[in-house]
Amino acid sequence: EDQVTQSPEALRLQEGESSSLNCSYTVSGLRGLFWYRQDPGKGPEFLFTLYSAGEEKEKERLKATLTKKESFLHITAPKPEDSATYLCAVQGSSSASKIIFGSGTRLSIRP
Amino acid sequence: SAVISQKPSRDICQRGTSLTIQCQVDSQVTMMFWYRQQPGQSLTLIATANQGSEATYESGFVIDKFPISRPNLTFSTLTVSNMSPEDSSIYLCSVGLTREEQFFGPGTRLTVL
Repeated sequence: EDQVTQSPEALRLQEGESSSLNCSYTVSGLRGLFWYRQDPGKGPEFLFTLYSAGEEKEKERLKATLTKKESFLHITAPKPEDSATYLCAVQGSSSASKIIFGSGTRLSIRP
Repeated sequence: SAVISQKPSRDICQRGTSLTIQCQVDSQVTMMFWYRQQPGQSLTLIATANQGSEATYESGFVIDKFPISRPNLTFSTLTVSNMSPEDSSIYLCSVGLTREEQFFGPGTRLTVL
């Protein structure tokens, strides 16, 4: 059964303090791994799709990396506006595979 | 990407009643999905809304409880029927040109008393 586990559940950082969020996954043939940002009261906002181990993608202060078992979302010199819940999701290679979401990491950046 | 709107944005309903949520997209899309996000939890796929045919439901979700319509490539509705407090949740519409990349609407926050 496809599974996604995110850690930590919550992370509080000082502005400018870099860190990483973890997404561990189990899937029968990875079709794609996705990162989303969700602000309170809003729908998830698409950030990245990673397809194969070794792949990296960047957007402003965020960089997502992928291995065969996990993905990391690195946040460099974060700002308060980066505070949000970050969701990881995976889809297996079966044509019927649905996207499975993790429970998210609540990131809070203090000024 | 696509611009997605949902109506209503929130509602408070009495148990036993039904609520229909609308999802409108600013362009034609092949794939449209409905998700539920219960308080403090992540997203769970309810069903794939198929244009011109019956929706495809995930395990644990049935058509009698969550009937879905998709009359064209830009619009869909989800009805939450015979509601109970356990149905209190955020309901999200999402679209994608491919199954891999999905874009989400703002959600409908439902509270059932």
